[in-house]
Amino acid sequence: DVKVTQSSRYLVKRTGEKVFLECVQDMDHENMFWYRQDPGLGLRLIYFSYDVKMKEKGDIPEGYSVSREKKERFSLILESASTNQTSMYLCASSFVLGGGPATNEKLFFGSGTQLSVL
Amino acid sequence: GESVGLHLPTLSVQEGDNSIINCAYSNSASDYFIWYKQESGKGPQFIIDIRSNMDKRQGQRVTVLLNKTVKHLSLQIAATQPGDSAVYFCAETRTGANSKLTFGKGITLSVRP
Repeated sequence: DVKVTQSSRYLVKRTGEKVFLECVQDMDHENMFWYRQDPGLGLRLIYFSYDVKMKEKGDIPEGYSVSREKKERFSLILESASTNQTSMYLCASSFVLGGGPATNEKLFFGSGTQLSVL
Repeated sequence: GESVGLHLPTLSVQEGDNSIINCAYSNSASDYFIWYKQESGKGPQFIIDIRSNMDKRQGQRVTVLLNKTVKHLSLQIAATQPGDSAVYFCAETRTGANSKLTFGKGITLSVRP
């Protein structure tokens, strides 16, 4: 089974702190994604990566950055956390099915990190 | 003014009955669709997918129906069990380079014992 592991289940940070959310997948997937999930808004894509050292902005990249130094690891960085970044953060991965880079099919999700910014 | 959080629509079914969860998708160019299940405290789990060259696909106790004419997707769960209680999301995409999944807002399925 594919395993996507997020390093923390719950995090509490203060406004202005730099926050790192880590995600590791064990299936050699090319594609990795960060979403945030908020009540009533569903899942919104923050950033994604289709190869090591590659990154693409999703729908709501403002206030976030990412790092993909190794294929299995994709980090989400909040440079200066704000209260409106309190949310559930979900990491996902997928493999390329031949449709080209970042073919976004059949995502496998981690369990999520509930981040509270006070 | 004060903002109010939105509540997900809820479907309540009796244990043992069949459930039908509906989803209207937005992009007529979408050609690949997925249903995800998200239990409390967990990330979404893949249930079943369907491509636009099909109108029906069956899995174990689940069936997905696709009506491209009206851009409608449904998930049918046979003999619903308490373990089926979760939030269900549909997702759509047009496959190809740099395609992105677009997720629906989700529907809560509540199974009454």
